[in-house]
Amino acid sequence: QVQLQESGPGLVKPSGTLSLTCIVSGGSMNSHYWSWIRQSPGKGLEWIGHIFYTGSTTYNPSLKSRVTISIDRSKKQFSLKLTYVTAADTAVYYCARGSRYTQPGDSWGQGTLVIVSS
Amino acid sequence: DIQMTQSPSSLAASVGDAVSFTCRASQGIDNYLNWYQQRPGEAPKLLIYAASYLQSGVPSRFSGSGSGTDFTLTISSLQPEDFATYYCQQSLSTPLTFGGGTKVEIK
Repeated sequence: QVQLQESGPGLVKPSGTLSLTCIVSGGSMNSHYWSWIRQSPGKGLEWIGHIFYTGSTTYNPSLKSRVTISIDRSKKQFSLKLTYVTAADTAVYYCARGSRYTQPGDSWGQGTLVIVSS
Repeated sequence: DIQMTQSPSSLAASVGDAVSFTCRASQGIDNYLNWYQQRPGEAPKLLIYAASYLQSGVPSRFSGSGSGTDFTLTISSLQPEDFATYYCQQSLSTPLTFGGGTKVEIK
């Protein structure tokens, strides 16, 4: 049973960089897509992007200029960097694992709230 | 981007009721449609993938149908733990997109 756990700062200053890591346990990183999704308070779900286990990435065009997702299979983790954040980036950030049909996720982390504020 | 529209945005029902709600895609997505349940304070949980396939461990009272642009999620007999928000999501093409959700509340 795979488990995912997000970690990272809960508070980021405006114009700074949001950095989160997702630790994967109980399963292999092979043959899956590894996604980041966010949910603003009281709002819906927004897919940020994903990385295939090979390292190939796809990003949401709405965030593409500011997003980087990377993977370290040896450490069983993948990461999100979002630059030049504003208050609009305040959200609960989830990491998730999916396959071609189940992406972004048949397994999700519990989510971590990131607040952008000075 | 493929837009996903869910209706209704909320509904009230009683334990034991059968309920259905719909999701419409702005263009054909074959059967690349997933349904998620989200309870307050929790992460979304995958219920149905590929429009009609029950995710492992999900009770059989949940079922999905549809193909192309119109999809339905049905709960055959609402249980107390089913009061939550339900989201559809297309996985045909990136960016992956979600519907706005249907909130199921207790009548």
